[in-house]
Amino acid sequence: ETGVTQTPRHLVMGMTNKKSLKCEQHLGHNAMYWYKQSAKKPLELMFVYNFKEQTENNSVPSRFSPECPNSSHLFLHLHTLQPEDSALYLCASSHGGHTGELFFGEGSRLTVL
Amino acid sequence: QKEVEQDPGPLSVPEGAIVSLNCTYSNSAFQYFMWYRQYSRKGPELLMYTYSSGNKEDGRFTAQVDKSSKYISLFIRDSQPSDSATYLCAMRGNEKLTFGTGTRLTIIP
Repeated sequence: ETGVTQTPRHLVMGMTNKKSLKCEQHLGHNAMYWYKQSAKKPLELMFVYNFKEQTENNSVPSRFSPECPNSSHLFLHLHTLQPEDSALYLCASSHGGHTGELFFGEGSRLTVL
Repeated sequence: QKEVEQDPGPLSVPEGAIVSLNCTYSNSAFQYFMWYRQYSRKGPELLMYTYSSGNKEDGRFTAQVDKSSKYISLFIRDSQPSDSATYLCAMRGNEKLTFGTGTRLTIIP
């Protein structure tokens, strides 16, 4: 596998469910990111990890919980979400923190009922 | 005022036309400027990266930066149906990357 891989591609969950999004990068990068993409809005940075350490949490509600066990894997744990959390969640990686040269996965389309 | 303004479109042009996509920004600390292309049901991919005023050309694509006017553009020459996508501008200073909302472009055969 090459690039950045995200699973699942689509997820439907109720507000009381717990689910997780997974991201894996095969590029040897040391920084990984979660972004939220909603219609007609700019990409919203959620979390940044650099060498497995969280370096940025952009005031994200606690119902989103990231986990980065190593430089190649990133998870986003979801719990008691709201319908307004429905969006495309994009994982990205880069060589260093915030160079601008991000490599994105195809995203996980989340629908919260 | 938003830090980065981008017309969301949609923009439809006939095949072969020259396309001009634009963003304006308010933060004079921005030094690095990017254009990402996002096809439907895909993640964004980096298309162009510039860090100075002026033009940068790559095949049919030209990125233009005017720091004095806080204005960046992406030109696509001889547009093809395969160029149909959403184009996002992005820029950064010393810290975080800021994206525009994206412009949805359709090239009509």
